[in-house]
Amino acid sequence: NAGVTQTPKFQVLKTGQSMTLQCAQDMNHNSMYWYRQDPGMGLRLIYYSASEGTTDKGEVPNGYNVSRLNKREFSLRLESAAPSQTSVYFCASTFDASGPNEQFFGPGTRLTVL
Amino acid sequence: QQPVQSPQAVILREGEDAVINCSSSKALYSVHWYRQKHGEAPVFLMILLKGGEQKGHEKISASFNEKKQQSSLYLTASQLSYSGTYFCGSLDNAGGTSYGKLTFGQGTILTVHP
Repeated sequence: NAGVTQTPKFQVLKTGQSMTLQCAQDMNHNSMYWYRQDPGMGLRLIYYSASEGTTDKGEVPNGYNVSRLNKREFSLRLESAAPSQTSVYFCASTFDASGPNEQFFGPGTRLTVL
Repeated sequence: QQPVQSPQAVILREGEDAVINCSSSKALYSVHWYRQKHGEAPVFLMILLKGGEQKGHEKISASFNEKKQQSSLYLTASQLSYSGTYFCGSLDNAGGTSYGKLTFGQGTILTVHP
């Protein structure tokens, strides 16, 4: 099992450019999440998907869109990147259909917006 | 609202004990603890649920005081491998659309010296 995989690992964008961060899990989990992590801020939830075909906003959704392509894949799109979106992005997944459970995190994508 | 962790940082020698606290202004359904080493993804430590149930797979103990909306993580006989940043995540709603919609604290940096 690969667990949770993310691509790319590093990315540099110019202000206004767009990009999609990819995430996939092979653990048959129902829920998937996108977080951003900034120094001193901990992890902040951007969007989540509790099941295939559903998505919902988290704490900091502005400037992002998501797609739950199927049960395995959950992508995060920046339509017009801004310097404030410079951060480390983590995808996570869990099986929590019947209650809270361990979240498994991907290795992260380090994004810099110039 | 983000839960508040204390202390912000702690330095130990191997074998010493530490307590990390997590406090919320909201009534909590569950508290989740994760550890993150520098440059890596967060790793699950423990979940404490309202009513007393606990889930975890490390030899780390924690408590959850539902009335005070507080949780504490107890690190005893610390080892060098315990170094990292510890995050608590709180869930203040018994689900809504997701048991994993966590709000994380700002983190506590633990450094263990030989």
